[in-house]
Amino acid sequence: DAMVIQNPRYQVTQFGKPVTLSCSQTLNHNVMYWYQQKSSQAPKLLFHYYDKDFNNEADTPDNFQSRRPNTSFCFLDIRSPGLGDAAMYLCATSRDLAGGTDTQYFGPGTRLTVL
Amino acid sequence: GNSVTQMEGPVTLSEEAFLTINCTYTATGYPSLFWYVQYPGEGLQLLLKATKADDKGSNKGFEATYRKETTSFHLEKGSVQVSDSAVYFCALDNTNAGKSTFGDGTTLTVKP
Repeated sequence: DAMVIQNPRYQVTQFGKPVTLSCSQTLNHNVMYWYQQKSSQAPKLLFHYYDKDFNNEADTPDNFQSRRPNTSFCFLDIRSPGLGDAAMYLCATSRDLAGGTDTQYFGPGTRLTVL
Repeated sequence: GNSVTQMEGPVTLSEEAFLTINCTYTATGYPSLFWYVQYPGEGLQLLLKATKADDKGSNKGFEATYRKETTSFHLEKGSVQVSDSAVYFCALDNTNAGKSTFGDGTTLTVKP
């Protein structure tokens, strides 16, 4: 059974047109993460929520926002996508902050194309 | 800061060959170390992990030993299968804040 679900799997948007990616989890985990992964590169953490507390990485552009309306759902909003934002976006969860004792569970990813 | 250096790929092996993917790291303190696998079109899956020096993580025939003296966490498998074809990421976390540092990934292709 899928535990971390991302919708859609493939998203196409136009340059500058806002887009929202969705992640849901059935694990009841406290922490939800968003990563950006560009082709042939390592995943890069954008931000995470610990419960309702939002933690932004220092180098995450302002163009990227996130919302977590409840435990199960987390959204990634890209306000004005640029061509450089085309990437795979990975959602992950962990029971607590993943310092080695808590495994991160990843969703299948959403591949974003910007035209 | 933290960094993870992985063996550059791609790596191509024949079925039943021995696999080693090297991983070395730089970090303060005592990080936890991970190997993740990413199959085509899918997200990352945790393959194995080790949380302290000399620990050996193992799963699905893969093994890696946390070597603090050489700051390494090399991934090995004695006999690879076609189904092992994927991208493998080495990662560390010493932050207790969900901030894993990933290597750039190594693409493995196993041919029948």
